[in-house]
Amino acid sequence: RKEVEQDPGPFNVPEGATVAFNCTYSNSASQSFFWYRQDCRKEPKLLMSVYSSGNEDGRFTAQLNRASQYISLLIRDSKLSDSATYLCVVNGAGGFKTIFGAGTRLFVKA
Amino acid sequence: DAGVIQSPRHEVTEMGQEVTLRCKPISGHNSLFWYRQTMMRGLELLIYFNNNVPIDDSGMPEDRFSAKMPNASFSTLKIQPSEPRDSAVYFCASSGLRDLSATNEKLFFGSGTQLSVL
Repeated sequence: RKEVEQDPGPFNVPEGATVAFNCTYSNSASQSFFWYRQDCRKEPKLLMSVYSSGNEDGRFTAQLNRASQYISLLIRDSKLSDSATYLCVVNGAGGFKTIFGAGTRLFVKA
Repeated sequence: DAGVIQSPRHEVTEMGQEVTLRCKPISGHNSLFWYRQTMMRGLELLIYFNNNVPIDDSGMPEDRFSAKMPNASFSTLKIQPSEPRDSAVYFCASSGLRDLSATNEKLFFGSGTQLSVL
């Protein structure tokens, strides 16, 4: 079983739609969690951290469920510019071993 | 501020040749990571350093791969001899972790080196 698993997609949605991505992780000792965004032929960039209490940044909401070892990302009112690959990221104890999921591809259509 | 700088951006070489990838982390960052990305396997962590010391190299595929960090501002990833299956994008990333017990901070990635081994 992979340490971090994501649905690869692709998700094809119209502008304005709400879309949700899920991610599961296998190591119950994992301590910190993130969502990164990667555009085609570019490097990954941090989108947001994921906190136990859940957190929101504009149109983006991240949730963490430690009991189920599950992370989610919700994007509301999708924009064309949201088209990218979204990577779920999990860190182990000490925060050093940063493991990336394979990513979920999102295409937002006009 | 300069970000993480990698060179070269593109490398095309023949099977059997030695390849050296270079990385300059963000000044003040004390953790450095090497990743490899392919369509089939996604982003794989190869090795990471803290304060120039390799902490975990369990992701390095085999003995043909080696990485060094002689000082806080420079790291290399070497493949010798290279093989076609090494073709991938190699990313270097750095973060400002202070010590092994610190809460992780975000990773800053370089633009990557696109390696093609023919």
